[in-house]
Amino acid sequence: GAGVSQSPSNKVTEKGKDVELRCDPISGHTALYWYRQSLGQGLEFLIYFQGNSAPDKSGLPSDRFSAERTGGSVSTLTIQRTQQEDSAVYLCASSLWGLVSYNEQFFGPGTRLTVL
Amino acid sequence: GIQVEQSPPDLILQEGANSTLRCNFSDSVNNLQWFHQNPWGQLINLFYIPSGTKQNGRLSATTVATERYSLLYISSSQTTDSGVYFCAVTMTTDSWGKFQFGAGTQVVVTP
Repeated sequence: GAGVSQSPSNKVTEKGKDVELRCDPISGHTALYWYRQSLGQGLEFLIYFQGNSAPDKSGLPSDRFSAERTGGSVSTLTIQRTQQEDSAVYLCASSLWGLVSYNEQFFGPGTRLTVL
Repeated sequence: GIQVEQSPPDLILQEGANSTLRCNFSDSVNNLQWFHQNPWGQLINLFYIPSGTKQNGRLSATTVATERYSLLYISSSQTTDSGVYFCAVTMTTDSWGKFQFGAGTQVVVTP
């Protein structure tokens, strides 16, 4: 596609339920990133995938959070047993990793998650 | 401690004014980007600039990697420049794709 797309754009869920957030990166981009942005805050790194390498999961806040990337393209971020503090905008980005010393990220519009 | 620090945290400008935003970082960097987050939340790429100087219209940026800072210049500001400006870096002491964002500079341009 022309840009990074995310779905749903908004998600309201009840505390304790599981949610799945989807990201479609720019076609041909080999790296994919997930971030979380709480209201009025900066972006918090969660995880990134690059090609077939093991993902860097060092930013995931707890074991309730997981992510996978199928076929080197679409990614799903799953939050199990959601808590109210999980409420935030979840942003996805992709980049054309592979060129020497070049790793420019492009962001999707985000998914706004509200946990009641 | 803070690894990516942006200043000032807030900036109010009159239309037509010039301004400089700063990003300091604590280690050598592999990647550095400047973004504008518009009032609708979309992050817009401004510059990919791990070193050197770039210009795009009224905006320009300079990164002095050896001194661990980057500057974003906005000239002849317009109301559409309002929003939050973020810098994001990956440091050589960390993995290549682990971007760390500063807290941002909130810019308000008044007519």
